[in-house]
Amino acid sequence: GAVVSQHPSWVICKSGTSVKIECRSLDFQATTMFWYRQFPKQSLMLMATSNEGSKATYEQGVEKDKFLINHASLTLSTLTVTSAHPEDSSFYICSAQVLTQAGSFILRETQYFGPGTRLLVL
Amino acid sequence: AQKVTQAQTEISVVEKEDVTLDCVYETRDTTYYLFWYKQPPSGELVFLIRRNSFDEQNEISGRYSWNFQKSTSSFNFTITASQVVDSAVYFCALRMDSSYKLIFGSGTRLLVRP
Repeated sequence: GAVVSQHPSWVICKSGTSVKIECRSLDFQATTMFWYRQFPKQSLMLMATSNEGSKATYEQGVEKDKFLINHASLTLSTLTVTSAHPEDSSFYICSAQVLTQAGSFILRETQYFGPGTRLLVL
Repeated sequence: AQKVTQAQTEISVVEKEDVTLDCVYETRDTTYYLFWYKQPPSGELVFLIRRNSFDEQNEISGRYSWNFQKSTSSFNFTITASQVVDSAVYFCALRMDSSYKLIFGSGTRLLVRP
């Protein structure tokens, strides 16, 4: 269980175009999903927290108008890179959060990661 | 400020050697969680372990073992009798109890040669 998929797995696009990346939790519901970016040979950096039914929360330095996040359902979050440029070429990874709760008390928080999407902007 | 340091950028060993990957973290929180992930060439992150700050017991899982030392703020990872399939980038990560944000170290690239 707890499988997260991403589509597409890789994409090549021309500079100036927009690219949409989907993150789906296949066998569970996720109120919260996270989007990370990883440049070659670097670490993962959190870009934003995606909340179902509300606006995403962006990390400092991440342009919210460039990286549009929509979390329209409990199993799908999308990241759209608008007017992509070569410097946006990166590996984008999402994770879906599962909370184990007893009433209002959170017992455990787990993030399940998707396989990632490689974006190359020419 | 919270920070994770993986000082070893790359490690190369010969198959069957033991190897230890270092992880040092910084946080002022008393409750936090530490993680290790493996990232093979395919890119997908593979969860290896999660450890709570109040549980300093060392953990062993097959050829993998983890040594958590709060006194030195370290959470080191040892692979015994390494195999070629262990070749990957390994990330140590930190999460505070007050936030769901995962803070990753820079990663250690492990190459196991036959």
